[in-house]
Amino acid sequence: GEDVEQSLFLSVREGDSSVINCTYTDSSSTYLYWYKQEPGAGLQLLTYIFSNMDMKQDQRLTVLLNKKDKHLSLRIADTQTGDSAIYFCAESFMNRDDKIIFGKGTRLHILP
Amino acid sequence: GAGVSQSPSNKVTEKGKDVELRCDPISGHTALYWYRQSLGQGLEFLIYFQGNSAPDKSGLPSDRFSAERTGGSVSTLTIQRTQQEDSAVYLCASSLGSGAIHNEQFFGPGTRLTVL
Repeated sequence: GEDVEQSLFLSVREGDSSVINCTYTDSSSTYLYWYKQEPGAGLQLLTYIFSNMDMKQDQRLTVLLNKKDKHLSLRIADTQTGDSAIYFCAESFMNRDDKIIFGKGTRLHILP
Repeated sequence: GAGVSQSPSNKVTEKGKDVELRCDPISGHTALYWYRQSLGQGLEFLIYFQGNSAPDKSGLPSDRFSAERTGGSVSTLTIQRTQQEDSAVYLCASSLGSGAIHNEQFFGPGTRLTVL
């Protein structure tokens, strides 16, 4: 079945790197995503990776995909207070009615 | 409009009453999604529309929940005989749908429903 798992909380000191991890069960995904939800707002796409890629880097963000282990991670370098949010891992599938499966979200807390 | 809008932003109702939540997707987006976000429960998929039809209603928690979409645009989510466990933030998202390269979903700000 389709399932996306994430840890619920992560605390990181300002200036350190944050690594948010995600595991999924369905290996037929086409794209994997990281969405960010700031307090009181809807989700916003942060970055995505095509399933045949291993890594994608975008400024402070690095996405790593290990298809063998069905593991996706998001690394945020030099974590800042503005990074405090809930981060959702998600995956989509070819020919499955555009459905995207979301994880429960990881709340990132920044320590001063 | 520039983004997905939802109304009302907040709704407080009494147990047993019916409520209607509205979603205005981004113009031209054929796919529309409803999710429910409860404290500690993450994002729960409710229903998905492609145009006016709903190929996937698998997430609706009970027959008290229904949704429709008219003209391939606005959607309403109706909850009949509300219960306290229906209290949550209801999020709507839209996307370009089939054929889009990576089918990014654009989310509205949500409707916070409180059932007393």
